[in-house]
Amino acid sequence: DSGVTQTPKHLITATGQRVTLRCSPRSGDLSVYWYQQSLDQGLQFLIQYYNGEERAKGNILERFSAQQFPDLHSELNLSSLELGDSALYFCASSVEGRNTGELFFGEGSRLTVL
Amino acid sequence: GEDVEQSLFLSVREGDSSVINCTYTDSSSTYLYWYKQEPGAGLQLLTYIFSNMDMKQDQRLTVLLNKKDKHLSLRIADTQTGDSAIYFCAESRGSYIPTFGRGTSLIVHP
Repeated sequence: DSGVTQTPKHLITATGQRVTLRCSPRSGDLSVYWYQQSLDQGLQFLIQYYNGEERAKGNILERFSAQQFPDLHSELNLSSLELGDSALYFCASSVEGRNTGELFFGEGSRLTVL
Repeated sequence: GEDVEQSLFLSVREGDSSVINCTYTDSSSTYLYWYKQEPGAGLQLLTYIFSNMDMKQDQRLTVLLNKKDKHLSLRIADTQTGDSAIYFCAESRGSYIPTFGRGTSLIVHP
């Protein structure tokens, strides 16, 4: 158990809809990262938050947004969903914004868009 | 091409050594990592190596880094069925945000 909790574990929705994925980092970790894992793209970095502020942005679509709340949990919002958004979305956390790169991953939220 | 490349599959017999290879493109990589993903679970860091090192050993795991060829390898000695998983190579630069390869599925058969 990494200590990172993600909900929901599975989500099935339709094209055009909006969903929110939730992540609780390990106790004490200030940084949260979101990654998307799909068969065709592999594991892609989406966005990082550190102590409530956006720290780095990767290949995140404009239809996606994220935030980190004062209690350090984070949410990833996916809107106007397309079939290609079906993927496993991972949240990870680390102790501080800059470190050796050791990330602690949750078990992921599997999104299926029909 | 992709920033981090690795072969997709490796099959070995139980008790043999496994060697998983990875190449990366950025010579400014600071850290290089091996993560393991078991079925239904998130990624877990196995080991990492700083870019000024050539080798790191940790029990059954040996990491070799060839900076000139931008090649990283992970050797697992005495591979067990419990080692069956997907192994991800990753690198990071100044931001310390890992960029991952697509993962190598290691299949260990009796």
